[in-house]
Amino acid sequence: GAVVSQHPSRVICKSGTSVKIECRSLDFQATTMFWYRQFPKQSLMLMATSNEGSKATYEQGVEKDKFLINHASLTLSTLTVTSAHPEDSSFYICSALGGLAGVSYEQYFGPGTRLTVT
Amino acid sequence: AQTVTQSQPEMSVQEAETVTLSCTYDTSESDYYLFWYKQPPSRQMILVIRQEAYKQQNATENRFSVNFQKAAKSFSLKISDSQLGDAAMYFCAYRSGGGADGLTFGKGTHLIIQP
Repeated sequence: GAVVSQHPSRVICKSGTSVKIECRSLDFQATTMFWYRQFPKQSLMLMATSNEGSKATYEQGVEKDKFLINHASLTLSTLTVTSAHPEDSSFYICSALGGLAGVSYEQYFGPGTRLTVT
Repeated sequence: AQTVTQSQPEMSVQEAETVTLSCTYDTSESDYYLFWYKQPPSRQMILVIRQEAYKQQNATENRFSVNFQKAAKSFSLKISDSQLGDAAMYFCAYRSGGGADGLTFGKGTHLIIQP
């Protein structure tokens, strides 16, 4: 149980275009999902917290107009990189918060999406 | 803001030996969780072990155990009987106790297992 998928696993896009990445919790409902970014040989950096039915909360320094997050259902959050530039090339990882309220919350990670902007 | 520091960019250990990965953190909160995650070459994040700050007893999961020193804000991971499959990046992570916050990660330690 507690499987999170991401689609696509790899994407190449041209500079100036937009690309959408999907994050799905396959066997549980997740009111909260997170988006992380990982540059090569570096750590994961939290970009934003996505809550179902409400606006995402972005970390300081993350451009909310560039990285659009939509959490329209309890099993799906999407990250859209708008007007992508080569410096947006990175590995994007989502996680979904699962577990019983009041007991513990566990973050279940997706396999990540490698974005290359040419 | 919370910070997590991993001071060992790379560690190497002989197969079947024991290795300890270091992690320190800084926080003003009293309620929080600490984690060790493994990231193999596939890049899939795998939870290794979790420690609740309010628990004095160190967490253990099979060959993996932690040394949690709350006063010193230290959270090291000990891997016993190292196996080739343990080779990966290991990240220490912090989460506030509220439950719905994202994780703050350290920079990671690349663990090499020598056969």
